[in-house]
Amino acid sequence: GEDVEQSLFLSVREGDSSVINCTYTDSSSTYLYWYKQEPGAGLQLLTYIFSNMDMKQDQRLTVLLNKKDKHLSLRIADTQTGDSAIYFCAERRYSSASKIIFGSGTRLSIRP
Amino acid sequence: GAVVSQHPSRVICKSGTSVKIECRSLDFQATTMFWYRQFPKQSLMLMATSNEGSKATYEQGVEKDKFLINHASLTLSTLTVTSAHPEDSSFYICSASVRGGESGNTIYFGEGSWLTVV
Repeated sequence: GEDVEQSLFLSVREGDSSVINCTYTDSSSTYLYWYKQEPGAGLQLLTYIFSNMDMKQDQRLTVLLNKKDKHLSLRIADTQTGDSAIYFCAERRYSSASKIIFGSGTRLSIRP
Repeated sequence: GAVVSQHPSRVICKSGTSVKIECRSLDFQATTMFWYRQFPKQSLMLMATSNEGSKATYEQGVEKDKFLINHASLTLSTLTVTSAHPEDSSFYICSASVRGGESGNTIYFGEGSWLTVV
C-alpha cells in the first residue's frame, strides 16, 4: 500500500477555497511537494515545503505542514475551473536516495 | 529553466515486441534519474532509480529483466520494456535530479510517455 495517503475526490464551488489533505509516514522526509496533473499530461510542480517550516504561501496557494502529525495540506484560494485536475502530495526521502514517493492523488472538480 | 525531455510521448507496439523510452536532461547533468509508472486514474509508482554508470536500483516487485534501465550518460537514461504485453500499457514518467537549487537537490519531471501494447 501507499505510505502517502490522500482522499480521492474533492468537489468545490467556483470561487470557494479548496483544501486538499495528505498524510505521510516517513519522519525522515525533508521536503514535501504538491504536484498538479491535468488529464493526459505530465506533472506540474505547484509548490514545496521544507520540513522545518509550518507554512508557505505562494499567491493563491497555501501549504500547511504539521510535522508532529505528519499532515500536509494545500489550500487553493478562489478556486477556478482551470484548477480542475488531480493533485498529488509527495514526500522526498533522503534516507532512500532522494526518491520521491507519491500519494494516490486527489481529483478536484469545480462546480459552478 | 531546466527541462527533462521524454521520447516518444506516445508509442503503440505489438505484444511481444520491445520498446525503448528515452529520458534526457536538456541543459543540465543529472546525477540520478528515476522512472515512474502510472496506471489510469492511479498514482505514480516508483519503478527504479538509476545513477550514471551504475546498475539501476529497482523497487520491490518490479521485474528488472522486463524493464531494462540504462543510464549511459549524465544526460540520458533509457527504459526498455521487453516482450511487452497489454498489461504493460501505462504512462511512464522519468525525473532527473541535479545538485543545487533552493532545495539543495532539484528534481525535474519529464512530460511522460504513453505506452499502448496491442
